[in-house]
Amino acid sequence: GAVVSQHPSWVICKSGTSVKIECRSLDFQATTMFWYRQFPKQSLMLMATSNEGSKATYEQGVEKDKFLINHASLTLSTLTVTSAHPEDSSFYICSASLSTGGRTEAFFGQGTRLTVV
Amino acid sequence: RKEVEQDPGPFNVPEGATVAFNCTYSNSASQSFFWYRQDCRKEPKLLMSVYSSGNEDGRFTAQLNRASQYISLLIRDSKLSDSATYLCVVHNPYNFNKFYFGSGTKLNVKP
Repeated sequence: GAVVSQHPSWVICKSGTSVKIECRSLDFQATTMFWYRQFPKQSLMLMATSNEGSKATYEQGVEKDKFLINHASLTLSTLTVTSAHPEDSSFYICSASLSTGGRTEAFFGQGTRLTVV
Repeated sequence: RKEVEQDPGPFNVPEGATVAFNCTYSNSASQSFFWYRQDCRKEPKLLMSVYSSGNEDGRFTAQLNRASQYISLLIRDSKLSDSATYLCVVHNPYNFNKFYFGSGTKLNVKP
C-alpha cells in the first residue's frame, strides 16, 4: 500500500507557542489530504481538508486562524497549531487518499501526539 | 444525524468466540466502505474494504447492504491479538472525497 509519513510523532510545547506538523505522501501524489484530531477514547474527528494549491476547507467549529494548513506541493501538507493551549493537547493524524481501479482508499500517517504544558 | 453510526462498545468476548459489529451510514451517495482497525495510541490501519457482494479475508467477513445502508464485520475464532477498536469508514467522492468515521467499537478478547 501507499505510505504516508507524519512528523514529528510526538511533541511537547509550552502554552502560547506554535507547533508545525508535517504530512508527506512518500510514493504517490496527493491533491487532497485530511487532518484529524482524536481525543482519548474518542473517534477521529475531521478538522479540515487540505487541497494542493488552494485554501483548506475547515469543518464546522474548527478555527482556521488557529489551525493553519498549507498544502504547497502534491506530497506535503502541514498543520500549524498556533498559540497552543493545554486544551489543544491531542493526537493529530493526517491521511491522504489514493484512487486505484475505481476505488479510493485512505492511508494514514503515524500520528502526532501533542502535549501543551 | 451522524454520517456513520456504529454499535456502542466495548465488546468483551472469550478467545475463540465469534463477534459481529454493525454500522449504518446516512448518505446514500457514499461509494466505498471500509473497516479500519486502530490499536491504542496508534493510527488506523485498513483491515478490509467492503464490497457489495460481501467479502471474506481469513477469519474476517464483511457485508454491505446498500438498500439498508448497513455494513457489518464478522470476526470468527477471536484471538487475543484482535483486541482493538474497529472503525467503520465510509467514503463519499461527491463531498470533497471525504472519509467519514464511525465512533469505533472496542473489542476486548480475553483468555
